[in-house]
Order: sequence, then structure tokens, then C-alpha cells
Amino acid sequence: DTGVSQDPRHKITKRGQNVTFRCDPISEHNRLYWYRQTLGQGPEFLTYFQNEAQLEKSRLLSDRFSAERPKGSFSTLEIQRTEQGDSAMYLCASSHRDDSNQPQHFGDGTRLSIL
Amino acid sequence: GENVEQHPSTLSVQEGDSAVIKCTYSDSASNYFPWYKQELGKRPQLIIDIRSNVGEKKDQRIAVTLNKTAKHFSLHITETQPEDSAVYFCAASIEGGNKLVFGAGTILRVKS
Repeated sequence: DTGVSQDPRHKITKRGQNVTFRCDPISEHNRLYWYRQTLGQGPEFLTYFQNEAQLEKSRLLSDRFSAERPKGSFSTLEIQRTEQGDSAMYLCASSHRDDSNQPQHFGDGTRLSIL
Repeated sequence: GENVEQHPSTLSVQEGDSAVIKCTYSDSASNYFPWYKQELGKRPQLIIDIRSNVGEKKDQRIAVTLNKTAKHFSLHITETQPEDSAVYFCAASIEGGNKLVFGAGTILRVKS
């Protein structure tokens, strides 16, 4: 399968703990996006990378959130000192950047539950 | 920033009937409009997209129309089948491959 893969699929943790998620994009895609989705809502943009450069961050991304894509391939999203409100599905997507609009393809997501 | 509104929030149709979902967007600079289908517990899957230089696009039973002047676009599903039951999201984007702003979703139920 050459789609976007995310790990883990589910994460349950206690409030105040740190968590890290991983996303492996489609191999030829140079853009990688993180979104957050809560129940009954559409995905909300968090941040995106072109190769290893983080080009935009949403206001939703507090200073407890950090994302990296060190070699321009896989990416990690870390949440420090988790809070109840962080419970959500964290989705990763990737696309190929060229001169035209290219579709974003999503992974299955990591569902985070904060106890 | 961009805001996307989607209607209706739920839609029930009889198998074989057509379904129409409508979205409006606020930023006239948006030029790319994809539609995603999301089944329970699964990833959003791109089903069709349209760019601002065309007014309509079809793919078998699915079509999307775009009215740039009115800033709205619609998804049309004909001859609906039970497997079309899912949540459908519209989205809008500025520039190529940039962030997507999603609507709140439409729960489509196809009754057999």
C-alpha cells in the first residue's frame, strides 16, 4: 500500500502527558499537512510542510504543539502537557506541489483520547 | 480568512433518487474545490474536485458545479445506492496545494 500511513491509530493517555504521532506521506509527495477533526466537524488545518520547511501554522496550534519534518519525508506531531480539549482525530495528508492544484490524500488518522 | 458553509447537515434519500449538497465560500481568491467522502472510522477520500477555470465536472454518477460569481459549488449524486451513505465534506483552497478549509459536513443516508 503506497498511501499515507499514520501511527499509532489510537492513543489513550492521561491529562498532562506528552504524546507524539507519526505520519509517512506518499513517497513522491513533497507537501505534508496536519489537520484535527472533532466529532461532527470537518477537518481543521493545523500546519503544513513543503519538503522540510514548515510554511504555515494555524492559530489553533498552541505552543504545546510542535511538528517536524526533519528530512522532508515523514513528519511527527508532538503535543506536550495534554489537555481534555486535545481529544480528537489527528489527520495527516500529503500532496505533490507543482504549478497546479494537486489533491490532498489523507491517512487513517490517530485518534487521541485524554483521560 | 476563508469560511466554508455547507448545507444540509443531514440528507435522507430513497435509493435511486438524486442527492444534492451545497457549499458557499467567502474568499473570492479560492480557486480549488475538492469533495471528500468519509465513512465511519475511515479516512476522508477524495471523490471529485473542480478548479476555478471550469464550471462543471462529471465522473460517472457524481458531478460538481461551480458558480464563481455567487461563490458557491454543489455536489450532485445521481442514482444513489446504499453504499453512498457516508459523511460528505466540501472544501476550498487558495493557490495550488495549499491548506484546505472544510465545511461542517453532510450526513447522507440512502434508504433501500
